[in-house]
Amino acid sequence: ETGVTQSPTHLIKTRGQQVTLRCSSQSGHNTVSWYQQALGQGPQFIFQYYREEENGRGNFPPRFSGLQFPNYSSELNVNALELDDSALYLCASSRDRGLRNEQFFGPGTRLTVL
Amino acid sequence: DQQVKQNSPSLSVQEGRISILNCDYTNSMFDYFLWYKKYPAEGPTFLISISSIKDKNEDGRFTVFLNKSAKHLSLHIVPSQPGDSAVYFCAAPGSSNTGKLIFGQGTTLQVKP
Repeated sequence: ETGVTQSPTHLIKTRGQQVTLRCSSQSGHNTVSWYQQALGQGPQFIFQYYREEENGRGNFPPRFSGLQFPNYSSELNVNALELDDSALYLCASSRDRGLRNEQFFGPGTRLTVL
Repeated sequence: DQQVKQNSPSLSVQEGRISILNCDYTNSMFDYFLWYKKYPAEGPTFLISISSIKDKNEDGRFTVFLNKSAKHLSLHIVPSQPGDSAVYFCAAPGSSNTGKLIFGQGTTLQVKP
């Protein structure tokens, strides 16, 4: 059984650019959540996708958007990058939505905005 | 608005001794708490959880204690092993429908051989 994978591993962008991060969910999982982990902080919830629909959003501006595909993989898009967007972006998949379904995290994408 | 707080950024213990990691929360509506462990270059992995109807949950070397009146929980690792060296996060549910987790800032545990 393949775990959660994310690509790319590292990424460097400049302010104002746009970025797309990708996540492949674990087999049998239909829910993907995205988190941002700034240096020295815990992960912060961005949003969750359940069966291709957004199912909850954290306190992030609209320039953070996402997609989930029929195979339940997901993308996180960030427009108009700011320096503070530099962080580790984690995705987590689960068998279903709702807290009682354990979330399995990928290794993350390290984004640096210069 | 930090609803889940881990006030100790780091902890160092000797192999074989007890490690105690602490976590405080502000929202009395939280009914479930989780601990995650994170190694460098890996995602967090679920370690142990506790429901608010309990005050203790044990799984092998790991025990979580919950003190609801103090809004405090702690993770005990006994005996500590060098392989336990990692960042530990406590987390609470932000929403039961979305699976949103609210994480603390994390505590880096170093277990010295």
